[in-house]
Amino acid sequence: DAEITQSPRHKITETGRQVTLACHQTWNHNNMFWYRQDLGHGLRLIHYSYGVQDTNKGEVSDGYSVSRSNTEDLPLTLESAASSQTSVYFCASSTQGSGELFFGEGSRLTVL
Amino acid sequence: ILNVEQSPQSLHVQEGDSTNFTCSFPSSNFYALHWYRWETAKSPEALFVMTLNGDEKKKGRISATLNTKEGYSYLYIKGSQPEDSATYLCAFIKGYGQNFVFGPGTRLSVLP
Repeated sequence: DAEITQSPRHKITETGRQVTLACHQTWNHNNMFWYRQDLGHGLRLIHYSYGVQDTNKGEVSDGYSVSRSNTEDLPLTLESAASSQTSVYFCASSTQGSGELFFGEGSRLTVL
Repeated sequence: ILNVEQSPQSLHVQEGDSTNFTCSFPSSNFYALHWYRWETAKSPEALFVMTLNGDEKKKGRISATLNTKEGYSYLYIKGSQPEDSATYLCAFIKGYGQNFVFGPGTRLSVLP
């Protein structure tokens, strides 16, 4: 069955370190998204991609970057982790048009 | 930044009660409206994808309506069960941008 997986599921890091969260989908979806979930804010969009070599900034993109070198993967990089980036991160993918989002299981990141 | 609102923020009902929630979104340049169900410690899962004004969708005891002219959608749950306890999210898609903006969610607790 097609799926979308995130790794690591849990990560503890220190302020200033670079961290990369992986997202891999086997749906062959063009669209991929990264969201963060914080109490009181729901899901907020960090970055998104509509296809290979395409990346776009979302609502809360500062301090994050993504790259899309193939259809299956959209890694999220925190260049220099900050305590404000402690959160649960969700990757999602969708077909074009109004297709529903399929979510990964989430990655809980703690920045000390 | 698009403003998507949901009400109420949280809701406690008794098993067997019927309930409904509201999602409000900008009425201009509408493309689609999604409803997602998000159980604790899991990932959001799509309930409905709605694209046309007047759309009514149903899945078991859960149904949804859409009014794009006035910018709202209702989600109804008939005869709530404890397994319906979850956070219900709506997501608004503007134009053909395929950029999902989520509301903050309605947290439903169904007491046995």
